[in-house]
Amino acid sequence: AQTVTQSQPEMSVQEAETVTLSCTYDTSESDYYLFWYKQPPSRQMILVIRQEAYKQQNATENRFSVNFQKAAKSFSLKISDSQLGDAAMYFCAYRRREYGNKLVFGAGTILRVKS
Amino acid sequence: SAVISQKPSRDICQRGTSLTIQCQVDSQVTMMFWYRQQPGQSLTLIATANQGSEATYESGFVIDKFPISRPNLTFSTLTVSNMSPEDSSIYLCSVEEGTSGYNEQFFGPGTRLTVL
Repeated sequence: AQTVTQSQPEMSVQEAETVTLSCTYDTSESDYYLFWYKQPPSRQMILVIRQEAYKQQNATENRFSVNFQKAAKSFSLKISDSQLGDAAMYFCAYRRREYGNKLVFGAGTILRVKS
Repeated sequence: SAVISQKPSRDICQRGTSLTIQCQVDSQVTMMFWYRQQPGQSLTLIATANQGSEATYESGFVIDKFPISRPNLTFSTLTVSNMSPEDSSIYLCSVEEGTSGYNEQFFGPGTRLTVL
């Protein structure tokens, strides 16, 4: 069974600074997706960024980028120029590539942004 | 992208009663998922609901406790039966949208359930 581990229950960052959230996963599959979701206090799950396992290039979405190390099964999220609106719970998630497969979530990391 | 609504957004219920949560999508989707998020915890899949077939439940979840209906391609319900305080959670509906290649999963706003 696939597992996702987030070892940082809580992180803090100063506004405008950079923070990295860690995630490791375990799978025997070779073709899969990895995601970072953001859940603000409103509870709405928002997709931040995704990475396809077959792509060696790290995904980037504006201030959000990932460091995907497939051999090490590591998938960290870097948030640059942190903003107050980035404060939320961040979940790392794994999904097999085929249609209809469930998301397997990590325990989450609470990110606090200080002004 | 799919727009998903859930009703109710929150409820407070007495133990021993049942609550039915509705999930409505603005487009036709084949796959719908129901997740549970216990207080301060991560999301765990309860079941996958395909239109026209019985829901598929994950280990630890049973149909008698969490019956699911999927009458058409835009709607599903999850019932939490014979509730106890341990059922206090956020329940989220999710759909998978796409045809081939990458299929994204979208989430509803969740239903916050408190059982007294």
